[in-house]
Amino acid sequence: GAGVSQSPSNKVTEKGKDVELRCDPISGHTALYWYRQSLGQGLEFLIYFQGNSAPDKSGLPSDRFSAERTGGSVSTLTIQRTQQEDSAVYLCASSFGRPGELFFGEGSRLTVL
Amino acid sequence: SQQGEEDPQALSIQEGENATMNCSYKTSINNLQWYRQNSGRGLVHLILIRSNEREKHSGRLRVTLDTSKKSSSLLITASRAADTASYFCATDASFKTIFGAGTRLFVKA
Repeated sequence: GAGVSQSPSNKVTEKGKDVELRCDPISGHTALYWYRQSLGQGLEFLIYFQGNSAPDKSGLPSDRFSAERTGGSVSTLTIQRTQQEDSAVYLCASSFGRPGELFFGEGSRLTVL
Repeated sequence: SQQGEEDPQALSIQEGENATMNCSYKTSINNLQWYRQNSGRGLVHLILIRSNEREKHSGRLRVTLDTSKKSSSLLITASRAADTASYFCATDASFKTIFGAGTRLFVKA
């Protein structure tokens, strides 16, 4: 596709369940970011992938959060044993190298009941 | 913690007026970017200014960067109702892009 694609766009889950959020970056972009945005707040950095380098996981809030990027393309953010405070919009972005303009997907809105 | 902090948190102006938003950051940067967000979904890139640049223009946007003060400003001239959105600065430090908390701009028609 022409842009960054995220799925699902909306996810409602029960506390304690695991969720997977998917990001399909722009073809050829080597960098991929995950951010979290709570209502009315700024973007909280979660994790950064750059090419074949080890990802920068310094923003992941707990060991319930993990992410992988397969074949340097699609990325999956997994949240295990979800909590209500995990409710937020999860935004994915990709860029061609650094420094560079980030291209964002429309986000996945997660609601944990 | 956030690398960049925007000021003000919220700004309400009349259509046709200029809007100025400021961003301060903490560590040395390679570049600084401004983004716009409508309706809490995806962000759209507005402009990038490199650390060796002091001012940059794009249409009705003017960005300044003062690395000695670790600050940047975004000026939107002749604002329109359609400029209503949240605006974020983002800095590229430590090989990743970090965003500030944003300024919510409301332009009244």
